[in-house]
Amino acid sequence: SQQGEEDPQALSIQEGENATMNCSYKTSINNLQWYRQNSGRGLVHLILIRSNEREKHSGRLRVTLDTSKKSSSLLITASRAADTASYFCATLTNAGGTSYGKLTFGQGTILTVHP
Amino acid sequence: EAQVTQNPRYLITVTGKKLTVTCSQNMNHEYMSWYRQDPGLGLRQIYYSMNVEVTDKGDVPEGYKVSRKEKRNFPLILESPSPNQTSLYFCASSFTTGNEFFGPGTRLTVL
Repeated sequence: SQQGEEDPQALSIQEGENATMNCSYKTSINNLQWYRQNSGRGLVHLILIRSNEREKHSGRLRVTLDTSKKSSSLLITASRAADTASYFCATLTNAGGTSYGKLTFGQGTILTVHP
Repeated sequence: EAQVTQNPRYLITVTGKKLTVTCSQNMNHEYMSWYRQDPGLGLRQIYYSMNVEVTDKGDVPEGYKVSRKEKRNFPLILESPSPNQTSLYFCASSFTTGNEFFGPGTRLTVL
């Protein structure tokens, strides 16, 4: 089963508005990452937040992580038409105490930003 | 230019005909993985490799094989493809499983 589940499945907003996407997961994680995918293309890494961090910023992106609720949110401020894409959260769980592990993706949120 | 390349980008084949999708990265990454993406199911990991000669199953390994003989290459092998393996496949690499770099994808259709 999928570790990460995004909400909403689809989001439609006007340019200039903020977009908030949420991600919930089930098991303990090492870190949580957000990726963006333009239609049919490869995913692009946006931001990574470690399990001991609560908030992280990168340009117009703000990510929060609440490990007690096993949830994260991605906020895109002042959205642009070019932000139209699918956004995925992915959780990393380490394998056997190593620094490597398995990355599990959610089903994604489709964001449409209208000009 | 740092990149992950996959070949072919598009492939239409028939049930049972063995095929290989190649993946190569030029960033000296230890970690490589394969995913399939299907509508409504998101991305699911097929196999991953922590380093040369070290591979492990992901969530949906049935019907697939991989090998990691060289650090830069991680081919995906379908010994006997079936229609339920029709999907969009992505290869990815990273130094650790953060900041994964994804390839452009291979769209496979099995008739």
